[in-house]
Parts: sequence; structure tokens; C-alpha cells
Amino acid sequence: NAGVTQTPKFQVLKTGQSMTLQCAQDMNHNSMYWYRQDPGMGLRLIYYSASEGTTDKGEVPNGYNVSRLNKREFSLRLESAAPSQTSVYFCASSGGQGYQPQHFGDGTRLSIL
Amino acid sequence: GEDVEQSLFLSVREGDSSVINCTYTDSSSTYLYWYKQEPGAGLQLLTYIFSNMDMKQDQRLTVLLNKKDKHLSLRIADTQTGDSAIYFCAERRNYGQNFVFGPGTRLSVLP
Repeated sequence: NAGVTQTPKFQVLKTGQSMTLQCAQDMNHNSMYWYRQDPGMGLRLIYYSASEGTTDKGEVPNGYNVSRLNKREFSLRLESAAPSQTSVYFCASSGGQGYQPQHFGDGTRLSIL
Repeated sequence: GEDVEQSLFLSVREGDSSVINCTYTDSSSTYLYWYKQEPGAGLQLLTYIFSNMDMKQDQRLTVLLNKKDKHLSLRIADTQTGDSAIYFCAERRNYGQNFVFGPGTRLSVLP
């Protein structure tokens, strides 16, 4: 069972470079999310997509863009990476109503030098 | 307040019970969750409780919910070294981006 797959797992960038983090889910979930996790700060929501074709800002959207390519895929782009964006990035997805929890990928560890 | 709150650290001896506490924010939240994060990994769902329940037991895990005080706890019986991890509580709200996470409690199990 693949669940939520994130690529790459690790990446090192130089300040000013751009890159796209990829996320795909195979659970037919409507909603997808991008979080960043920094020591002592828990999870902070960057962007989310409640359904295919929609995206909304979360708590910390500055410096990021997202694309909900189709129901399965939700990508996060850093146009001009900054050292403050060094973090672990998690993608998650969830189903509809009811108890449906979020399911998480294994994360992308990103370092900006 | 707007934040889900948890104490950041807890240490217990192997074999003892662990109790991790959480205060959530929205009395209308329908579901509350506990996630476990092991080093270098993503978050795994441990258990959840519906807001009209007071307690839920699942093997070594017991979840208690005090809806009046918006207080949630996770008790791990007979704590083992493999339980060492960060534990996040989360609430599912009925609006906005739905899921709000606490900062996580780092549980250390001492031999």
C-alpha cells in the first residue's frame, strides 16, 4: 500500500535556486496538504487543497506556490529558496467527512545553504 | 486561544504508564486524533475519538476526552522503548483547513 508518496526524500539547494516537491496519493482522497516541520514548532500548514481545482493559503504560505495537478498530485514549489526555508516538508491527504484522518508521507528533508 | 497545546517533553521508565495531555480549542470539533512520529519518519495515526465519546481503549492505548474542559489525554500502558517518539494531538474542525495540530510531546522511555 503506497498511501502518500513524496519525492525527493532529501535535497540540498543553494540560496536563490528553485525546486518543486512532488506529492502523490493513491487513496482517492479529495483533500491534500503541505506542512513544514521545524524543531519545537510542530507542524505548520503552508497550503492546502480541499478538492481538485482549488488551493488555499495556510499559516505560512509566503515564498511558496502550489499546484493541484489532478486528484492524485499536489506539488509545492520554492521559486527562490532562502535559508529560512530549511525544514522538513510533509504532504498529507484526507478523505471526506466523518472520522477520516490525515495520512502523511515520509517527508522531504530540505537544506538551503 | 487558537492553539492546540501540549507539554513538549515527557520521560518515563520502561514498564510504567505514560500520560500525554492535550488542550484543544474548538468545542465543535467532531474528531480528535493522536499521531506518533518516529525519528526520520512521517506521522502515523495511532487512534482517534469522536467528540460524543468520553473514552476509547485500543490495546495499550486509552484516550480520555473531557469535552467541557476541551482536554484530551493519551495513556500508554506498560510503556516500552519502542514507544519513544513524538506524539501529536490534532482536532478536526468543521471549517477552514479542518485539521489543527499541537506542537507535539517528545516521549522518552528510560530503561
